[in-house]
Amino acid sequence: GENVEQHPSTLSVQEGDSAVIKCTYSDSASNYFPWYKQELGKRPQLIIDIRSNVGEKKDQRIAVTLNKTAKHFSLHITETQPEDSAVYFCAAKLGGGTSYGKLTFGQGTILTVHP
Amino acid sequence: NAGVTQTPKFQVLKTGQSMTLQCAQDMNHEYMSWYRQDPGMGLRLIHYSVGAGITDQGEVPNGYNVSRSTTEDFPLRLLSAAPSQTSVYFCASRYTGQDYGYTFGSGTRLTVV
Repeated sequence: GENVEQHPSTLSVQEGDSAVIKCTYSDSASNYFPWYKQELGKRPQLIIDIRSNVGEKKDQRIAVTLNKTAKHFSLHITETQPEDSAVYFCAAKLGGGTSYGKLTFGQGTILTVHP
Repeated sequence: NAGVTQTPKFQVLKTGQSMTLQCAQDMNHEYMSWYRQDPGMGLRLIHYSVGAGITDQGEVPNGYNVSRSTTEDFPLRLLSAAPSQTSVYFCASRYTGQDYGYTFGSGTRLTVV
């Protein structure tokens, strides 16, 4: 099955700095890569996603890049704000076959943005 | 449109007790799944279903049963609760055949003593 590794496990930045979280996946058949933000005591919320036929996607201060050859993808947050503090999860979805639709998550990154 | 509704929000069980976590969605999503969230381990898939009458195991299915008699409901049953099942449980759903993000329920915090 798919395996997703996420780094770092914790990340501390000053307000206004950039933050980068990296994930690697094992199965080259994975074709969809979402990122979720989870605030304390809340449910995970989708913040951005990318499909395997796209190399980069941006939404305001958030961007995701995908390198299919190296099987890794990254979340970039620019001009960080205290409200960006949360746990961020990457995930990968296998395409096709009996396992379609299953999301495999990384272990999570606790991002803290200091004012 | 309530989205994905989970009940209860909190539950304390004694070892050996059984219970059912409820999950219902009103978005006509074919795909539904159950995850458990433990510190430092992300979200791990327990069971999933691609439609009514069809279920399959995820990566940590032992000790749990599911059924899918309707499109809307996907209950998770703990057969004989163990302390290792103390966790936060999330139900999630999506349309099949499309790469859209999952909609998560608000979670159930379960403690087994």
